[in-house]
Amino acid sequence: NAGVTQTPKFRILKIGQSMTLQCTQDMNHNYMYWYRQDPGMGLKLIYYSVGAGITDKGEVPNGYNVSRSTTEDFPLRLELAAPSQTSVYFCASSYHDRAREQYFGPGTRLTVT
Amino acid sequence: GEDVEQSLFLSVREGDSSVINCTYTDSSSTYLYWYKQEPGAGLQLLTYIFSNMDMKQDQRLTVLLNKKDKHLSLRIADTQTGDSAIYFCAESDQGGKLIFGQGTELSVKP
Repeated sequence: NAGVTQTPKFRILKIGQSMTLQCTQDMNHNYMYWYRQDPGMGLKLIYYSVGAGITDKGEVPNGYNVSRSTTEDFPLRLELAAPSQTSVYFCASSYHDRAREQYFGPGTRLTVT
Repeated sequence: GEDVEQSLFLSVREGDSSVINCTYTDSSSTYLYWYKQEPGAGLQLLTYIFSNMDMKQDQRLTVLLNKKDKHLSLRIADTQTGDSAIYFCAESDQGGKLIFGQGTELSVKP
C-alpha cells in the first residue's frame, strides 16, 4: 500500500515549456486535490476532483489543467510555464469531502527559469 | 473569504511544552485540523477537533478550541527534537475543502 505517490520529485522548466505532474493513489479514494505551497505560505488549492470524470477549480487554478479519467490518477498539467509557478506541488486524496483526513504525497519541487 | 492565521516561528527547549496558536474566520467550519510537515515531506494529519468540542487530548497533544474567539491551539507536552517541523492549522470551508494557515515552524533545541 503505497498511499499517494507523485512524480517527478524535482523538475526545472524553462519559461513557456509544458509538463505534467503525475499523482496516483491506491486507497480507492474518491476525492483528490492539487495544492501549491509557496515559501512561508500555507497550501493553496489549485484543482480538486470528487470522482472519475469530475473536476473543479480551487482557489488558484489559472495556468493549470487537470483530468481524472480513473479513480487512481489525477495528473496536473502546466501548459506554458511561468516563473510565478515556481513552487512545491502536493497531491492529496481523501475518502470523503469532509476531509477528515487528507493523505498527502511527498511533493514535486518545480522551478521555472 | 475564509482566512487562517498563525505565527510563523516558535522555539522551545527539549522537555518544555510548546503551544502553537491559530485564528480562523469561518464560524461554520465543522472540523479544525492540525497537520505536521517534516522537511522535504508532505503534510501528515496530527489531530482534528469537531467544532462542538472545547478540548481534545491525544497522548502528548492537547487541542483547545475557543469558538467565541475563533481561536485554536495545539499544545505539545514534553517536546522532543523529533517534534521539530512546520505545523499547519486548517479549517474546512462550507464545501468541505481545507483552508490552511501559513504554518508555524517549531524549533526544538536540546
